[in-house]
Amino acid sequence: ETGVTQSPTHLIKTRGQQVTLRCSSQSGHNTVSWYQQALGQGPQFIFQYYREEENGRGNFPPRFSGLQFPNYSSELNVNALELDDSALYLCASSRPGTEKMNTEAFFGQGTRLTVV
Amino acid sequence: RKEVEQDPGPFNVPEGATVAFNCTYSNSASQSFFWYRQDCRKEPKLLMSVYSSGNEDGRFTAQLNRASQYISLLIRDSKLSDSATYLCVVAGGGADGLTFGKGTHLIIQP
Repeated sequence: ETGVTQSPTHLIKTRGQQVTLRCSSQSGHNTVSWYQQALGQGPQFIFQYYREEENGRGNFPPRFSGLQFPNYSSELNVNALELDDSALYLCASSRPGTEKMNTEAFFGQGTRLTVV
Repeated sequence: RKEVEQDPGPFNVPEGATVAFNCTYSNSASQSFFWYRQDCRKEPKLLMSVYSSGNEDGRFTAQLNRASQYISLLIRDSKLSDSATYLCVVAGGGADGLTFGKGTHLIIQP
């Protein structure tokens, strides 16, 4: 058990709708990052939050947005859902790294999103 | 060129055998390296960090070759429970996030 929890575990949405996924980080971890994992692929970095601000972003469009709260929990919001957004969405928490080093990241069990 | 490349397998290996996976990465500025394992329809779990000097954790040994931009994982005396997908992960530091390979699928056969 990593102590990272995500909700919901499964979700079905219709194309064009909006979705919010939630994540509680492991105790002592103040950095949260989100990943998208399509079937048969490795996880792809969406963005990272530290001290309630986005401080890193992967190659995802602006309709993917997020929040981090004072208790370090986080949300991932996706607007205007597309069929290709169907994937496992993973949240990871970690201690903050340095400019040159990433610390170990621990993942929640993920939210499996299906867009129909 | 893909950022992190792994042989997808599957590797079918008899129980008790030694198996080795390799991974190459394209970003020479990468600073942090990890191996994760992922069971079917589960989240990735940290197996071990990879240090420049190499490191060992029980039956698992990881090596890093910065000059060749190459990471390896060796599993000795493989167990049925080692069956999983092994993900090679690199990071550039700071807020760059982790870059994952597609994973190598390992099947340990009794």
